[in-house]
Amino acid sequence: DAKTTQPNSMESNEEEPVHLPCNHSTISGTDYIHWYRQLPSQGPEYVIHGLTSNVNNRMASLAIAEDRKSSTLILHRATLRDAAVYYCILRVEYGNKLVFGAGTILRVKS
Amino acid sequence: DTEVTQTPKHLVMGMTNKKSLKCEQHMGHRAMYWYKQKAKKPPELMFVYSYEKLSINESVPSRFSPECPNSSLLNLHLHALQPEDSALYLCASSQGWIIAGGSSYNEQFFGPGTRLTVL
Repeated sequence: DAKTTQPNSMESNEEEPVHLPCNHSTISGTDYIHWYRQLPSQGPEYVIHGLTSNVNNRMASLAIAEDRKSSTLILHRATLRDAAVYYCILRVEYGNKLVFGAGTILRVKS
Repeated sequence: DTEVTQTPKHLVMGMTNKKSLKCEQHMGHRAMYWYKQKAKKPPELMFVYSYEKLSINESVPSRFSPECPNSSLLNLHLHALQPEDSALYLCASSQGWIIAGGSSYNEQFFGPGTRLTVL
């Protein structure tokens, strides 16, 4: 399984945008980039995924570098409820397996 | 209903006990998963069931025995556990392999977990 590298922690102010980076220099052509987050005392939840193009959904945006060796999860306006551990995960197309890395702890200040 | 439920929420057991964890979903998902999460660590995959058949076992010790009686239920039978098995056990489900608009996705829905303590 290809590896991802994320900062251990990041801090943001409430109502401001947050850019969470992820490096995946060994990504293969069939790897999708997935983001999950885990709020305190809860199971992980899906945030967004993409292959090559930038993606938007109601929760976040995913910006993928042209060479696909890195990506950035963008929360457009952080709220206190966005404080969580954010995991960047590579998964092969049609694959069931999620291999979680250490993730980034996001703290949001009011 | 987009919920995965797990029971019990908390479980304390001795090393000689036999207990079971239960997971249920009613989203029509055909893939179900068990993960183990130690404190301040990421979840680690244990087992994957696909269409009620065990498809992935991540070399989990035999004291953990999964069972998928039907497409909505997933059990994890526990026997002769060790204190180091104390962890949060997470269940998840997904639809399986879906093609939509030319791309495939397999979002996993997680339950809140069972906090297991082995004395």
